[in-house]
Amino acid sequence: GEDVEQSLFLSVREGDSSVINCTYTDSSSTYLYWYKQEPGAGLQLLTYIFSNMDMKQDQRLTVLLNKKDKHLSLRIADTQTGDSAIYFCAETKTGGFKTIFGAGTRLFVKA
Amino acid sequence: KAGVTQTPRYLIKTRGQQVTLSCSPISGHRSVSWYQQTPGQGLQFLFEYFSETQRNKGNFPGRFSGRQFSNSRSEMNVSTLELGDSALYLCASSLESGHSPLHFGNGTRLTVT
Repeated sequence: GEDVEQSLFLSVREGDSSVINCTYTDSSSTYLYWYKQEPGAGLQLLTYIFSNMDMKQDQRLTVLLNKKDKHLSLRIADTQTGDSAIYFCAETKTGGFKTIFGAGTRLFVKA
Repeated sequence: KAGVTQTPRYLIKTRGQQVTLSCSPISGHRSVSWYQQTPGQGLQFLFEYFSETQRNKGNFPGRFSGRQFSNSRSEMNVSTLELGDSALYLCASSLESGHSPLHFGNGTRLTVT
């Protein structure tokens, strides 16, 4: 199968860390992505990780990949109100010419 | 570099009509993918084009079609519109689909009445 699953909602307080989780089913996926969507806009690429990596850090963002469990997570440190958005996990197989997206996790940041 | 440009931004059509949506990819990107986004179904893959060839197609009826031109610009067409076709249609470009990330436009919001 090619389903990507995410929890639908996450609520955090401003300044706390947010952790958004994702599971995927296709072990042959080679690229895994996190996108952010704000109201009325398209999807903005936040970060991505190759399947031969375990972790990637980019400023406030940390991506962890557990290939054994097919689990991907995105940690946002010091979450701000501007981080409120929908976050999508996505996977692509090499040569698949298709990227599959999860349903998205809506992040609420309380001031 | 300019981002992915989609036109028009909003469209209102009635059932039975047809519609054409346009997408200009980032300069140098040769792959263009189309997605339909609805609250109930999320992001659904429509098709992907590279060098004017459709390389992959999602599970949509034949009313949905697309094409890519030699300058990598792409269009998608929906014929005999149905109410359920109301959605945000997103175009994304990449250097090479499957090997590089997708970069999205802001989408075309289609409303079918």
